[in-house]
Amino acid sequence: GDSVTQMEGPVTLSEEACLTINCTYTATGYPSLFWYVQYPGEGLQLLLKATKADDKGSNKGFEATYRKETTSFHLEKGSVQVSDSAVYFCALRIYNQGGKLIFGQGTELSVKP
Amino acid sequence: DVKVTQSSRYLVKRTGEKVFLECVQDMDHENMFWYRQDPGLGLRLIYFSYDVKMKEKGDIPEGYSVSREKKERFSLILESASTNQTSMYLCASSLSGLLVDTQYFGPGTRLTVL
Repeated sequence: GDSVTQMEGPVTLSEEACLTINCTYTATGYPSLFWYVQYPGEGLQLLLKATKADDKGSNKGFEATYRKETTSFHLEKGSVQVSDSAVYFCALRIYNQGGKLIFGQGTELSVKP
Repeated sequence: DVKVTQSSRYLVKRTGEKVFLECVQDMDHENMFWYRQDPGLGLRLIYFSYDVKMKEKGDIPEGYSVSREKKERFSLILESASTNQTSMYLCASSLSGLLVDTQYFGPGTRLTVL
């Protein structure tokens, strides 16, 4: 079945360090890909998305490129801030399955000053 | 801005109780979803609805039911709460008919079943 696998956390970084959170997927159809972020005590909010191969989603200094050949959608940021501390979820949506999202297990990021 | 609200942030119930979790969205979205979030498991879909009075089972519907009598409101019902239903419950909504429809999430209800 369709699935999403993320690197395990927690990830702890110092401020201004580079971030990569790996995400790979398995899908029978042609998915759209998403990164959601959950700040402490809040619900999830969309961080970025990509709908087709080689698309790059970006927002708030975060980027992710849809790589069909490696079935990956890794999240990257060049310089993290304390305010980026949150849980990050990779997700996919298959077009012919309506609005359903399939989520990875989440990766907790903690950024220290 | 889209707003999705959930009736309670924290809830404590006893085993065997009937539990109602309410979700309301204010953007006239057709689609609504209920997930549960557990450490190491991410979000798992319990039920979803594409329209009023419509419901579809998600990946883990056992022990749950839902009700959607009005477009803006989607209720999750635990018929007889059990300790393994202790979890964070998240509601979401989205427009339909779009290729990439963003889901908007509520703040979550942390349910503890004793």
